[in-house]
Amino acid sequence: GQQVMQIPQYQHVQEGEDFTTYCNSSTTLSNIQWYKQRPGGHPVFLIQLVKSGEVKKQKRLTFQFGEAKKNSSLHITATQTTDVGTYFCAGPFQGGKLIFGQGTELSVKP
Amino acid sequence: EAGVAQSPRYKIIEKRQSVAFWCNPISGHATLYWYQQILGQGPKLLIQFQNNGVVDDSQLPKDRFSAERLKGVDSTLKIQPAKLEDSAVYLCASSLVWGEQYFGPGTRLTVT
Repeated sequence: GQQVMQIPQYQHVQEGEDFTTYCNSSTTLSNIQWYKQRPGGHPVFLIQLVKSGEVKKQKRLTFQFGEAKKNSSLHITATQTTDVGTYFCAGPFQGGKLIFGQGTELSVKP
Repeated sequence: EAGVAQSPRYKIIEKRQSVAFWCNPISGHATLYWYQQILGQGPKLLIQFQNNGVVDDSQLPKDRFSAERLKGVDSTLKIQPAKLEDSAVYLCASSLVWGEQYFGPGTRLTVT
């Protein structure tokens, strides 16, 4: 079936440490989107990757789309307490339906 | 620009009762989505509208859930009768056509 899997499920880091979450799709994707959900909040769009091997940066966040367009990663350099939340990847499947991964919950200890 | 509006924000009902959620998308957004998010999981698409037509409702439990988007703007999602496992946050999102989705604050439903 159509699946998007993310690891790890939880990550606890000390402020200033790096963080990476990985996303894998059961099929090749036309694009992949990343969202952040703060505790008690709603998902907020971060970025969309479209091209094979694409790398995009947003300040301390680096997003990669795999060469086969079946996997992606989000890396945060030198985490801050403002990075706390759950990070979701999501890919479009048949009919444009967006399937979300189960998310990686990041906690940052000051 | 106003965001996606949802109401109510919280709802507590007993099992077998009915409940309705309302969503007003961002002006001009053709596509509207309803998601169910169970604690600790990612949002699961229930139904997707483009204008007032249904694009995908493959994961909507049609024996108890219904949704409509009259005039291609506002939308309502109804559950009748509710079950304990329907306890979740119901998120509405909208987008221009495809691509970036803007989420509303959600409705937290508790079924007792």
